[in-house]
Amino acid sequence: GAGVSQSPRYKVAKRGQDVALRCDPISGHVSLFWYQQALGQGPEFLTYFQNEAQLDKSGLPSDRFFAERPEGSVSTLKIQRTQQEDSAVYLCASRPTQRELETQYFGPGTRLLVL
Amino acid sequence: GESVGLHLPTLSVQEGDNSIINCAYSNSASDYFIWYKQESGKGPQFIIDIRSNMDKRQGQRVTVLLNKTVKHLSLQIAATQPGDSAVYFCAVLQGGSEKLVFGKGTKLTVNP
Repeated sequence: GAGVSQSPRYKVAKRGQDVALRCDPISGHVSLFWYQQALGQGPEFLTYFQNEAQLDKSGLPSDRFFAERPEGSVSTLKIQRTQQEDSAVYLCASRPTQRELETQYFGPGTRLLVL
Repeated sequence: GESVGLHLPTLSVQEGDNSIINCAYSNSASDYFIWYKQESGKGPQFIIDIRSNMDKRQGQRVTVLLNKTVKHLSLQIAATQPGDSAVYFCAVLQGGSEKLVFGKGTKLTVNP
């Protein structure tokens, strides 16, 4: 079946612009995660949803970052007033259930470049 | 918290050789471990996982070994192929947490 999809795949923003990144998880998956991956580094956790509830947002780097999943399926990560240090690949992952000890499946990522 | 370290940032092998990629973690309460493969421009792809109640698990051409005593994890790839060239990440989950903590990755290059 279809995997996790993300759009856009690439985004160039001028510093100070707002951006919105979309994630379509695998159909029926309960859990959804956002990660940030800097160049040459491993992904770093940003936030976690179980259905529509955002249960952990401890990894969001500042209050300029906001994520939502209003209907428990598609999720949007919004970054307000983008800064150059926000340049990274933003990865979305989904997991079938709320069970922790279960594989997370990743999308291809959105590569954000802030000029 | 958890931190995940790496033994070698790069590894170069000949096609057909076996590859071993190592990873160390810090938290003895960690109970779920995953290896991911990431090719350029793509998201991490699941390879194999292991829970803390096991010390070895095998898949197709891959084996994961877990040594909880020294908090060490390894991925063995048998008969490495050019298509195995990628960055490999270990990721660790601590019980009661939703946060997967990733290492920095090992870039595997397979020479024909």
